[in-house]
Amino acid sequence: AQSVTQLDSHVSVSEGTPVLLRCNYSSSYSPSLFWYVQHPNKGLQLLLKYTSAATLVKGINGFEAEFKKSETSFHLTKPSAHMSDAAEYFCVVSAPNQGGKLIFGQGTELSVKP
Amino acid sequence: EAGVTQFPSHSVIEKGQTVTLRCDPISGHDNLYWYRRVMGKEIKFLLHFVKESKQDESGMPNNRFLAERTGGTYSTLKVQPAELEDSGVYFCASSQEMTANTEAFFGQGTRLTVV
Repeated sequence: AQSVTQLDSHVSVSEGTPVLLRCNYSSSYSPSLFWYVQHPNKGLQLLLKYTSAATLVKGINGFEAEFKKSETSFHLTKPSAHMSDAAEYFCVVSAPNQGGKLIFGQGTELSVKP
Repeated sequence: EAGVTQFPSHSVIEKGQTVTLRCDPISGHDNLYWYRRVMGKEIKFLLHFVKESKQDESGMPNNRFLAERTGGTYSTLKVQPAELEDSGVYFCASSQEMTANTEAFFGQGTRLTVV
C-alpha cells in the first residue's frame, strides 16, 4: 500500500527566504513521486516529478525536491520565496500497476509575507 | 490547447436533490480520473476511465454516485440523491498514459455544497 504524509499543514515564510515543505512517503514498490501546486481558483499544476532517474529533481518556478530512499522523504525546497508562490502544495505518490491512480498528501498551505 | 475543463465551477443544492458534474478532458487523452476533496481531508481517488470503460472504481463512496463517459470523450459524475457529506471539491484529471510516472492534468474543480 502507498501513503503520503505532509508534515506541515501550514508554512509561513518571508519573501526572499528559503522554502521547505516536508513530505514522507510509504510504498511497497519503487514509487513515482510528484509535487503539485494549486493556486486559488485554479486547477492543480505539476511542479516536478521523480521517476527513479536523478534523485535531485528540478521543477518549474525554481522549485526542486530530493528523493531520499533511506529517509523515505521527498521534501520540496526553493532558495528564495516569491509572493506568487503562495498556494497549496500537494505531495503525491503513484505506484506501478495502479493505472496511474494518485495518492495525495493532506496538503501544505504556503503563505509568503512581504 | 485547451486544458481540462469542469462544469459548473460551483454548485449549491439541497439534500435529496440530484447534481451532475461534467469534465471535458484534454483532447486525445484516453485516461480520465475523478477525485474528491472533502473539507479538511486529503484529495482522494474516486474512479478511472480508459476511453469509455471503467478501469477502476474502487474509490466510489456508494451507489448514489454514477459516473459515465459516453463515447470516451467527456465524463459526467451524478450524485443522486445528494447528502450533506457529499459536499467538497470534485476534481477531474486526464492523461495520455496510465503509467505511474505519467503527468496527470487537472481541471479547476467543482465545489459542491449540499445544504
